[in-house]
Amino acid sequence: NAGVTQTPKFQVLKTGQSMTLQCAQDMNHNSMYWYRQDPGMGLRLIYYSASEGTTDKGEVPNGYNVSRLNKREFSLRLESAAPSQTSVYFCASSEVDSVFSTNEKLFFGSGTQLSVL
Amino acid sequence: AQKVTQAQTEISVVEKEDVTLDCVYETRDTTYYLFWYKQPPSGELVFLIRRNSFDEQNEISGRYSWNFQKSTSSFNFTITASQVVDSAVYFCALSEYSNTGKLIFGQGTTLQVKP
Repeated sequence: NAGVTQTPKFQVLKTGQSMTLQCAQDMNHNSMYWYRQDPGMGLRLIYYSASEGTTDKGEVPNGYNVSRLNKREFSLRLESAAPSQTSVYFCASSEVDSVFSTNEKLFFGSGTQLSVL
Repeated sequence: AQKVTQAQTEISVVEKEDVTLDCVYETRDTTYYLFWYKQPPSGELVFLIRRNSFDEQNEISGRYSWNFQKSTSSFNFTITASQVVDSAVYFCALSEYSNTGKLIFGQGTTLQVKP
C-alpha cells in the first residue's frame, strides 16, 4: 500500500536552476497539497488542489507553480530556485468525510529535502 | 488571522514518565478543526487526532489523551507512561471548517524519551 509517493527524496540545486517535484497518491483522494517545512516554523501550505483541474494558492505560493496532472498526480515546480527555497517539501492528500463533506485528515508523503546553493 | 503556538520547543523525559505537550490557538472562526500530527525520525507525518470545535469532550486512545478547552483556546496532548518510540516531533494544527486540508501548523515540539 504505497499511499503518497514523492520523488526525488533529495535534491541539490544551484540558484536559478529549475526543477519539478513529483507527487502521486493511490488512495483515490480528490484533494492534494504541497507544504514546506522549515526549522522553527512548522509546515506552511504552498498550493493545494481541491479536485482534478483546480489549484489554489496557500500561505506561501511565491516562487512556485503547480500542476494537477490528473486525479493521482500533483507536481510542484520551482522555475528559478533561490536559497530561500531550501526546505523539506511534503505532498499530502486527503479524503472527504461523506457525511459532513469536509476533508478528514491528511496523508503525507515522506518528503523531499531540497537544498539551493 | 489564524495562529497556532507550541511554546515548548523541546522536551526530554525518562521512559515511563507522563508528558504533556501544550498547544494554544487563535482563530476568529466559530467552527474549526484541531489536529495533532506526529513526525518520527523517519520524517513522514502521521495523523493522531482530529477534533471539531463543537466537541469539547476529552479523548483517550491508549496512552494518548487530549484535553480541548475552548475557554482557554488550548488543545493539549498528554502521553502517559512514555516510551522511547514516542520520541518524535509533534505538531498541533488548526484548520477552517470547510477545508481541513488547509492546515495552520504550530512550530512543533520535539519530544525525546530516554531509556
